[in-house]
Amino acid sequence: DTEVTQTPKHLVMGMTNKKSLKCEQHMGHRAMYWYKQKAKKPPELMFVYSYEKLSINESVPSRFSPECPNSSLLNLHLHALQPEDSALYLCASSQDGAPDYGYTFGSGTRLTVV
Amino acid sequence: GENVEQHPSTLSVQEGDSAVIKCTYSDSASNYFPWYKQELGKRPQLIIDIRSNVGEKKDQRIAVTLNKTAKHFSLHITETQPEDSAVYFCAASGPGRRALTFGSGTRLQVQP
Repeated sequence: DTEVTQTPKHLVMGMTNKKSLKCEQHMGHRAMYWYKQKAKKPPELMFVYSYEKLSINESVPSRFSPECPNSSLLNLHLHALQPEDSALYLCASSQDGAPDYGYTFGSGTRLTVV
Repeated sequence: GENVEQHPSTLSVQEGDSAVIKCTYSDSASNYFPWYKQELGKRPQLIIDIRSNVGEKKDQRIAVTLNKTAKHFSLHITETQPEDSAVYFCAASGPGRRALTFGSGTRLQVQP
């Protein structure tokens, strides 16, 4: 299995809702990443987990809460989002925390906040 | 931190022509330079990458060149086809950095 799987593919949520995005990989990668991508812009790093520990938080607002229950799973919990948080959320993984080894993106979750 | 600049932001070529996209980076310690292709609504996909111990790498119609002294690298696509139309992102990474720094992207349009 050489894929990073993200669910759901699309999500519409209200500003008072709580939802979660899920990312899964079975390549034995030990680093996992969350990126946010707005239209016509490059992916913007949010969080990095390395060996199941949060190693980078790019000053992301607390309404985004990451979780790494095990080495194959990465979640992003969403609460009280704003319309400007609407974007494509991409998960990625790499072999051992270095992006030059097997860096793979998931297909993303397109999030719309209404 | 690292800063990657990418030019041009849009590029339109005729089918069969060549396309060149250029990136510059700021951190001389960066040693890994991938290029991603992203079609509308899809994930970025790695198309080619180069490490700092190599000056050029080729894969069929795609090539990447790296000039470490000038801190720039370029993507070359020859014999372009309509299916090459997409947004292309360059990126850079180096020792101790756990994620890629992306350029701003180039929208390539190949006219049939």
